[in-house]
Amino acid sequence: KNEVEQSPQNLTAQEGEFITINCSYSVGISALHWLQQHPGGGIVSLFMLSSGKKKHGRLIATINIQEKHSSLHITASHPRDSAVYICAVNPGGGADGLTFGKGTHLIIQP
Amino acid sequence: GAVVSQHPSRVICKSGTSVKIECRSLDFQATTMFWYRQFPKQSLMLMATSNEGSKATYEQGVEKDKFLINHASLTLSTLTVTSAHPEDSSFYICSALRAVNEQFFGPGTRLTVL
Repeated sequence: KNEVEQSPQNLTAQEGEFITINCSYSVGISALHWLQQHPGGGIVSLFMLSSGKKKHGRLIATINIQEKHSSLHITASHPRDSAVYICAVNPGGGADGLTFGKGTHLIIQP
Repeated sequence: GAVVSQHPSRVICKSGTSVKIECRSLDFQATTMFWYRQFPKQSLMLMATSNEGSKATYEQGVEKDKFLINHASLTLSTLTVTSAHPEDSSFYICSALRAVNEQFFGPGTRLTVL
């Protein structure tokens, strides 16, 4: 079974800081997802990666398949970025349920 | 992105009753949907895979007779929690598979069993 580890578990930063959240997994995957969960519980999919790097606005996600590691970066962080960020992996062929990390609780202070 | 709805968003029920949660893909057809559960302060966990026209596949430790899944159409999967107990109180969330590696999540249902 794939183990998904995220770090840090909790992160508090000042507005404008550059944020990095890390994710490592133990077994080969078809894709890795970065998700955002707000206090009400709803989940928004931020990125799906199978290789390389993706950028959307102030968010950047990278993945190193050989090292089984991914990072999510937030540039020029803002209080509205405060949320739980979750790393999840697709095992095998990509049509299976996801395995999730425990999440990183991010607070951006004004 | 694609839209997945879930209903109800919140439900409170008495112990021993059954609760049905619906998951709908609004703008695409999904032969496969997934049901996940999240207990407080814990990570999301896959409960079962719902396949249109066939039986659901349950993860180890999830009782199939307690959590009934019906995927009767290409846009609707339902999860029924039978004879709910307080320990079933949790956040239930579904996702629908539009293509390989493309899952779209519903907004979730918070179940509280008194």
